[in-house]
Amino acid sequence: GAGVSQSPSNKVTEKGKDVELRCDPISGHTALYWYRQSLGQGLEFLIYFQGNSAPDKSGLPSDRFSAERTGGSVSTLTIQRTQQEDSAVYLCASSLGIAGAAQYFGPGTRLTVL
Amino acid sequence: AQTVTQSQPEMSVQEAETVTLSCTYDTSESDYYLFWYKQPPSRQMILVIRQEAYKQQNATENRFSVNFQKAAKSFSLKISDSQLGDAAMYFCAYRTTSGNTPLVFGKGTRLSVIA
Repeated sequence: GAGVSQSPSNKVTEKGKDVELRCDPISGHTALYWYRQSLGQGLEFLIYFQGNSAPDKSGLPSDRFSAERTGGSVSTLTIQRTQQEDSAVYLCASSLGIAGAAQYFGPGTRLTVL
Repeated sequence: AQTVTQSQPEMSVQEAETVTLSCTYDTSESDYYLFWYKQPPSRQMILVIRQEAYKQQNATENRFSVNFQKAAKSFSLKISDSQLGDAAMYFCAYRTTSGNTPLVFGKGTRLSVIA
């Protein structure tokens, strides 16, 4: 079956612009996660959704970052008024809604803020 | 808060040889899950192996195996018969058993395979 997909693959934007990154999880996966990977660094958790529960936003670095998940499937991560430090690879993952389930990742979106 | 440490930023191995990547973690929990992920230059994070802390038996997936030492909080990855396609960044990750919490990642080890 299809894996996690993300779009766009690459995004170049100017400082101050808003961007939207999209994630389409594996069908049937109720949990969805967003991570950020800065150059040469590990993955930093941003936000996660579990079914119809309120999302855990504890990893969002500022109020410029927000995410939504419509119909329990596709998710959009929005970054407003982008800054150069927002440049990174944004990875989305999904998993089954059971404890300890492995997370499966998409190919990521490389965001470059000029 | 849990932390994961990978003390080897870079490693190299000759093709067909064996290499071990180190990972230690810090937690006060008794039950949890540990993972190794591979990230080739394509950026795609690929699950390599998964270990449940309550299981004493070390997980194995083909040429990949782990040495899980719970008391020492150590979770190393052994790659046998290394192949050129094994060259990648390898990330160790921790997850609690509480619901679908996010993974806590180490900073990664870059593995080079020499022909």
